[in-house]
This record gives sequence, structure tokens and C-alpha cells, in this order.
Amino acid sequence: KAGVTQTPRYLIKTRGQQVTLSCSPISGHRSVSWYQQTPGQGLQFLFEYFSETQRNKGNFPGRFSGRQFSNSRSEMNVSTLELGDSALYLCASSLREMGYGYTFGSGTRLTVV
Amino acid sequence: GNSVTQMEGPVTLSEEAFLTINCTYTATGYPSLFWYVQYPGEGLQLLLKATKADDKGSNKGFEATYRKETTSFHLEKGSVQVSDSAVYFCALSGSNTGGFKTIFGAGTRLFVKA
Repeated sequence: KAGVTQTPRYLIKTRGQQVTLSCSPISGHRSVSWYQQTPGQGLQFLFEYFSETQRNKGNFPGRFSGRQFSNSRSEMNVSTLELGDSALYLCASSLREMGYGYTFGSGTRLTVV
Repeated sequence: GNSVTQMEGPVTLSEEAFLTINCTYTATGYPSLFWYVQYPGEGLQLLLKATKADDKGSNKGFEATYRKETTSFHLEKGSVQVSDSAVYFCALSGSNTGGFKTIFGAGTRLFVKA
């Protein structure tokens, strides 16, 4: 059974550029959440999607956006990149609502220079 | 709002020592509680969970009991191994308007020496 797949694994971008990260959840999982992980802030919740609808959003600026497709695959986009956006971006999928737990991907390491 | 507080690390133990990592939470309602583990260069893995008060989650020798009276979910293992060296995250998942989200503690790094 395939796990959560995130692509690409590593990215280097320049300030001001935009980036799109992709996440394919475990087959059958309809809930996909995104987190930003940094040494200073830890794991910060970005957003959660369920059946193509964004149900929750964290406290990030509007430069951070996401979407989910009908096959449950999800993308997140960061526009006008800043140095502080350098982080590990983790995608997690879940079979159903609270109580089940997440399966995480290995993450996308974004470096902004 | 909901929050999770876990003990600061790093925690350094010798192999076969007893491990406790403290975790307390603040939440409205009845959240589910989790422990995740992260090995270097990888995403997080679900280690164990408990969905209601007095439940005990267990996996790979690790245990944690959902204590509503003390709002705690401490992680324990009777005899750690070098391979247990990793970062451990306590987390809670609670209902929120229109959906749910999981909140993580800051993580506790564990080093186990041979």
C-alpha cells in the first residue's frame, strides 16, 4: 500500500518567486492537511482539505494557498517567496475525522535564497 | 484555544533506561490524543493514540494513558534502545468549526547512548 507521496523532495527558490508543492494521499484518504515545520516555530498548521473543500486554515498570510482535487490529491502554493518561508512542508492524510490519526509524507524541503 | 505542552529536550538516556516524556494539554470538549515520532530526514509517524479518557495507547513498547483529570498524556517506555533516538511529538485533535485540526507540541528530542 503506497504511503503519502510528496513532490518534489527538495526545492531551491529565489525571493519573490512562487512555488507549488504536491501531495498524493493514501488511496481512500479524503482528508489532507499541510504543516510547515521549522526549528524555531515547530509544526505550524497551514490548512486542511476534505472532499475538495478547505475546512480549516491556520494563521498564515494569503500568500499561502492550497487546493484539493477530486482524486484527493492536493497542492499548496506559496507566492512572492520570502526568506522566512524556508522550511520543511509536510503533508498528512487521514481516513476520517478526529481520532484516526495522520499518515505523513516525507516532506518537501524548501530553501529560499 | 487548544494547546499542547511537552517537556523540553533534549533527553539523554543510556540504553535500557526508563523513559518518560511529559505532555499536558488544554482543550475544550473531548479531544483525541496522539504521540508521533520523527526520525532524521523523515516525516512524522504515528506511534500511538487514545481517543477517550482512561484509554491507554501502546505500540513498540511505548505506552501513554489519557488522563482527563490531570489533562496529561505522558509517554513511557520501560527499556529504551539506541534505535529509539528521535524527536517525539505529543498532539491533540479536536473539533473545530466545520472540521478538525491537529495541534502539535514543540517536540522532545531523545538521545539514547549505547
